[in-house]
Amino acid sequence: DAMVIQNPRYQVTQFGKPVTLSCSQTLNHNVMYWYQQKSSQAPKLLFHYYDKDFNNEADTPDNFQSRRPNTSFCFLDIRSPGLGDAAMYLCATSREADGYEQYFGPGTRLTVT
Amino acid sequence: AQTVTQSQPEMSVQEAETVTLSCTYDTSENNYYLFWYKQPPSRQMILVIRQEAYKQQNATENRFSVNFQKAAKSFSLKISDSQLGDTAMYFCAFMKFTGNQFYFGTGTSLTVIP
Repeated sequence: DAMVIQNPRYQVTQFGKPVTLSCSQTLNHNVMYWYQQKSSQAPKLLFHYYDKDFNNEADTPDNFQSRRPNTSFCFLDIRSPGLGDAAMYLCATSREADGYEQYFGPGTRLTVT
Repeated sequence: AQTVTQSQPEMSVQEAETVTLSCTYDTSENNYYLFWYKQPPSRQMILVIRQEAYKQQNATENRFSVNFQKAAKSFSLKISDSQLGDTAMYFCAFMKFTGNQFYFGTGTSLTVIP
């Protein structure tokens, strides 16, 4: 089945230690998104790629970076995680043909110790 | 900037009954998409229903339907014949035709009571 896959599902990192979360998709969608979702809150868009074009949200901290080496993969890099970065990180994809309906991955739960 | 408001943080409904979740939004755009997403406990977010703003007819998907009032900027979700599996957090979301950003509401936690 076509899907959005996130690895790992659970990630523990130390305060200040760089961490990378990955997302892959078999849907061949041209748009990919990264969201941060804290407990009982709405997902907060960090950035998205439209094809290779990177679009950063104005309030996304510089500590968060992203890479999209090809259509299928997208990475979220947190350069120096703080305790406040502990959250669920959701990857989503979309395409115009589907009216930009977003397909979400299961998320990666990040814990910062 | 677009804002999406869900004024009901928590709701409950008896199994087999009908419940309506409210959502209002603020935009100066004329063309846009509206969505309801469902996020069950510890499970991934899935689309429930979508509405294009240029369509006057309210969208329906089986037991789920919307009441889209464009002038009032209101987009409520009605769940008929509620089932235990409907227990989840429900998010209303807005997207402009131009650009790809989703704007989510703060969510409504729905519990279906047996």
